Amino acid sequence: GAGVSQSPSNKVTEKGKDVELRCDPISGHTALYWYRQSLGQGLEFLIYFQGNSAPDKSGLPSDRFSAERTGGSVSTLTIQRTQQEDSAVYLCASSGGGALADTQYFGPGTRLTVL
Amino acid sequence: QKEVEQNSGPLSVPEGAIASLNCTYSDRVSQSFFWYRQYSGKSPELIMSIYSNGDKEDGRFTAQLNKASQYVSLLIRDSQPSDSATYLCAVTSGTYKYIFGTGTRLKVLA
Repeated sequence: GAGVSQSPSNKVTEKGKDVELRCDPISGHTALYWYRQSLGQGLEFLIYFQGNSAPDKSGLPSDRFSAERTGGSVSTLTIQRTQQEDSAVYLCASSGGGALADTQYFGPGTRLTVL
Repeated sequence: QKEVEQNSGPLSVPEGAIASLNCTYSDRVSQSFFWYRQYSGKSPELIMSIYSNGDKEDGRFTAQLNKASQYVSLLIRDSQPSDSATYLCAVTSGTYKYIFGTGTRLKVLA
């Protein structure tokens, strides 16, 4: 596609439910990132995928959070047993990858609200 | 702890003026520097990237980097109300991991 896409755009769930957020990166981009942005805050790094390498999960806030990337393309971020503090906008970004930093292009985000 | 610091603002400037946004970073080995613009309720979009000391100009935007002083700035000339947004500074240290500042909110007054 022309840009990074994410779905759903909005998700309202009840505390304790599991949610899945999807990211479809720019075609050909090998690197994929997930961030979380709480209201009025900066971007919090969650996880990074690069090609077939093991992901960097160092930013995941708890073991309720997990992510996978199938076939080096689409990624799913799963939050189990959601809590109210998980409410935020979840942003996905992709880049061309490589050893040096490259420009990240962001998707529109998924706004998660946990009631 | 690697940090990127920005004044949260809001920074208010009149239309047509120069807006100056500043960012400092703590990691001396930082190599790549980015400015993103984020409108309310939208995702960040890249404005400028800079890798070498000095100035880099793109239209009304100029990024300035001073590695010795560990700061990077963004100047917006002839500011327009449409420039009103939050500007995020991001820094990397030659790896994939970006460190973002919390952003400066800019308000351009018509």
